[in-house]
Amino acid sequence: AQKITQTQPGMFVQEKEAVTLDCTYDTSDQSYGLFWYKQPSSGEMIFLIYQGSYDEQNATEGRYSLNFQKARKSANLVISASQLGDSAMYFCAMREGGFKTIFGAGTRLFVKA
Amino acid sequence: ETGVTQSPTHLIKTRGQQVTLRCSSQSGHNTVSWYQQALGQGPQFIFQYYREEENGRGNFPPRFSGLQFPNYSSELNVNALELDDSALYLCASSPTGLNAGPVVAFFGQGTRLTVV
Repeated sequence: AQKITQTQPGMFVQEKEAVTLDCTYDTSDQSYGLFWYKQPSSGEMIFLIYQGSYDEQNATEGRYSLNFQKARKSANLVISASQLGDSAMYFCAMREGGFKTIFGAGTRLFVKA
Repeated sequence: ETGVTQSPTHLIKTRGQQVTLRCSSQSGHNTVSWYQQALGQGPQFIFQYYREEENGRGNFPPRFSGLQFPNYSSELNVNALELDDSALYLCASSPTGLNAGPVVAFFGQGTRLTVV
């Protein structure tokens, strides 16, 4: 069965430093997609970055990069040069085939000035 | 901003009542899915619609139902509301059809439903 595990309920990082948010997943499918979303207190889920299971290069989007280790079934999000506006909930998610996306429980990130 | 809009943003209903939540998909997206996010948890998949037909459903009872219209907008209906239905309801649209492989879903800002 599909499963996403985020083991860090909360993380603190100093402004301008890098932080890694952990995510492991479980699936028996060969074709799947891994996503990270940011959810500020307003509630909207903001897409950050996507990694396909067949992608050999780690995905990068600006200050976000995804450390994809397929054999370990991990897809950690790295945020470089943290900003105060990065404080939010972060969700790792996986989508197989054509529909549902499975989400982890989330990690709350606090960026300190 | 994703282009996915939901209405209303907040809603208070009484136990036993019925509620309809609405979602306008991002332009060009023909697939819409709905999620329930209880406080402090990740979103849980309710169901997905593609070209006006439900093509996937999560572990939710039949009193959760939906519709998709020809313009790809969508409704989520919940009958016989229970206190545990209090949650943030998120709509997501994506530019995919059946078995099109993993694609990105773009979310709206959600409707916060409180059942009293």
